[in-house]
Amino acid sequence: DTAVSQTPKYLVTQMGNDKSIKCEQNLGHDTMYWYKQDSKKFLKIMFSYNNKELIINETVPNRFSPKSPDKAHLNLHINSLELGDSAVYFCASSPVGRFGYTFGSGTRLTVV
Amino acid sequence: GESVGLHLPTLSVQEGDNSIINCAYSNSASDYFIWYKQESGKGPQFIIDIRSNMDKRQGQRVTVLLNKTVKHLSLQIAATQPGDSAVYFCAENYSGAGSYQLTFGKGTKLSVIP
Repeated sequence: DTAVSQTPKYLVTQMGNDKSIKCEQNLGHDTMYWYKQDSKKFLKIMFSYNNKELIINETVPNRFSPKSPDKAHLNLHINSLELGDSAVYFCASSPVGRFGYTFGSGTRLTVV
Repeated sequence: GESVGLHLPTLSVQEGDNSIINCAYSNSASDYFIWYKQESGKGPQFIIDIRSNMDKRQGQRVTVLLNKTVKHLSLQIAATQPGDSAVYFCAENYSGAGSYQLTFGKGTKLSVIP
């Protein structure tokens, strides 16, 4: 069983569209995250969410919004996609506390 | 620190040799550090971690060294194998920030020559 699963693995879309990336974890973790990896492989936190608190990286445009229907899911919705949004997006989860981080396999988003 | 705009550092090592990957972290208050391995097309995988009250920790074929004086972290891989080829990241966390978010350093690409 995949611990942290993301769908889709690849997403190609046109500028201006709205898209969502789904993430599910079956580890029973309390906190979930979204990270963005750019073309230089640099990983940067976008959001963390634990059902009680949403922490947003202030550099993330408000076109990006996390949505969590329950503790096991944290989806990423992106409005009005731009060319610069092209990247690999990783979902991750951790138990309460900072240890035991587990990453998904990533979603490669290409905006054309 | 951020590496946007910079090329990914690359380390080429002969199979069987030892590898040393270095990382300079940014926050002197960080008290927890992790090394991740990212293979092509996959997400980062945990390798080893260390808390700031230690300066060395060993795992299977890997050793992490922490030098808080100069804010430097290193990952040593013994008897490097082709399967070790990947991009390696260090990450830091500061518990006092009340957040579990990890701040990643720029990665290093390890290429193992058979």
